[in-house]
Amino acid sequence: KAGVTQTPRYLIKTRGQQVTLSCSPISGHRSVSWYQQTPGQGLQFLFEYFSETQRNKGNFPGRFSGRQFSNSRSEMNVSTLELGDSALYLCASSLGGTGVWEQYFGPGTRLTVT
Amino acid sequence: AQSVTQLGSHVSVSEGALVLLRCNYSSSVPPYLFWYVQYPNQGLQLLLKYTSAATLVKGINGFEAEFKKSETSFHLTKPSAHMSDAAEYFCAVSVTSRIGNEKLTFGTGTRLTIIP
Repeated sequence: KAGVTQTPRYLIKTRGQQVTLSCSPISGHRSVSWYQQTPGQGLQFLFEYFSETQRNKGNFPGRFSGRQFSNSRSEMNVSTLELGDSALYLCASSLGGTGVWEQYFGPGTRLTVT
Repeated sequence: AQSVTQLGSHVSVSEGALVLLRCNYSSSVPPYLFWYVQYPNQGLQLLLKYTSAATLVKGINGFEAEFKKSETSFHLTKPSAHMSDAAEYFCAVSVTSRIGNEKLTFGTGTRLTIIP
């Protein structure tokens, strides 16, 4: 089975711009979660989608948004980029449903905001 | 709310020596606990998980962890370190709710260095 894929792997944007990151989960997985990783704040949960619905949300401003499509692929959007948004953005997929499922992580998208 | 604390942001051990990475958790309900490893420029890979079955959990690459409720700990160990174990290790906690899979809350990570 193919793993979680994320595109693009690297991205450089300018302050004020917006960006869209993409995540394709493992086949059959219906839950997709997004995390932000920075040296200062570590790994922080952004949000989780299951069957096209946002099921859980972290403490990030509204500039961070996401969506999930019927094939479980997910996109994350950040508008009005700030320097502090520079980070590694990780996507994780799991079977979902009730209970706790193992989350499988993609390689991440490294976003640099200049 | 649940949380995890990893003691020691950097740990160095000699090749062949015991690896011990510490993790303490805080949770008002029975937790699910995980250890992940991250190699440079890569995502996170699950090493092992505790989901209220056996308290001693064996994972990949020779790692294991023991859940100790009385100490609220879930330390990661490996009897003999290998150069390929050099990486960053994250402990994470999750709890269930009626809506299903809760978010993972991660510790700050421990960078493991292996000394030849």
